[in-house]
Amino acid sequence: DSGVTQTPKHLITATGQRVTLRCSPRSGDLSVYWYQQSLDQGLQFLIQYYNGEERAKGNILERFSAQQFPDLHSELNLSSLELGDSALYFCASSPRSGRGAREQFFGPGTRLTVL
Amino acid sequence: GENVEQHPSTLSVQEGDSAVIKCTYSDSASNYFPWYKQELGKGPQLIIDIRSNVGEKKDQRIAVTLNKTAKHFSLHITETQPEDSAVYFCAAFFRDDKIIFGKGTRLHILP
Repeated sequence: DSGVTQTPKHLITATGQRVTLRCSPRSGDLSVYWYQQSLDQGLQFLIQYYNGEERAKGNILERFSAQQFPDLHSELNLSSLELGDSALYFCASSPRSGRGAREQFFGPGTRLTVL
Repeated sequence: GENVEQHPSTLSVQEGDSAVIKCTYSDSASNYFPWYKQELGKGPQLIIDIRSNVGEKKDQRIAVTLNKTAKHFSLHITETQPEDSAVYFCAAFFRDDKIIFGKGTRLHILP
């Protein structure tokens, strides 16, 4: 158990819908990363927050957005869902930010299925 | 552009033999290179990492080597065991604080 929690574990929805994925980092970790993992694309970095502020952006679509709240939990919002958005979404937390960061601890993931 | 390439995509080795997975990266300014192991149904777990100020790091049966000039780093697993079967990912941090993962290597340990 990494100490990172993600809810829900599974999510099934229809195209065009909007969903919110939630992540609680390890106690004391200030940095949260979001990743998308699909079969053909591996692990894709989406976005990073550090202590409530956006720190780095990867290949995140405009239909996707995220935020980190004062209690450090984070939410990833996916809107206008398409079939291709079906994937595993992972959250990871780290004590610090950037290239000086120590290891990232990954949550168990949320499996999103768009029908 | 920013890129990490990982080879091979699949690797089968006999139990007890060694396994080597290689990655190359594009940005010479990258200075942190973690390796993750992902078992079925779980999130990736860090197994070893290396920073650019060292050339090699070892932790029991696992070692990582880094060649900054050639911009490549490798994971070495010795005396492989059945529980080493998993997907392994390399990664590199880039100058804009983005992390890019390789596409993964599925390692099969054969009995």
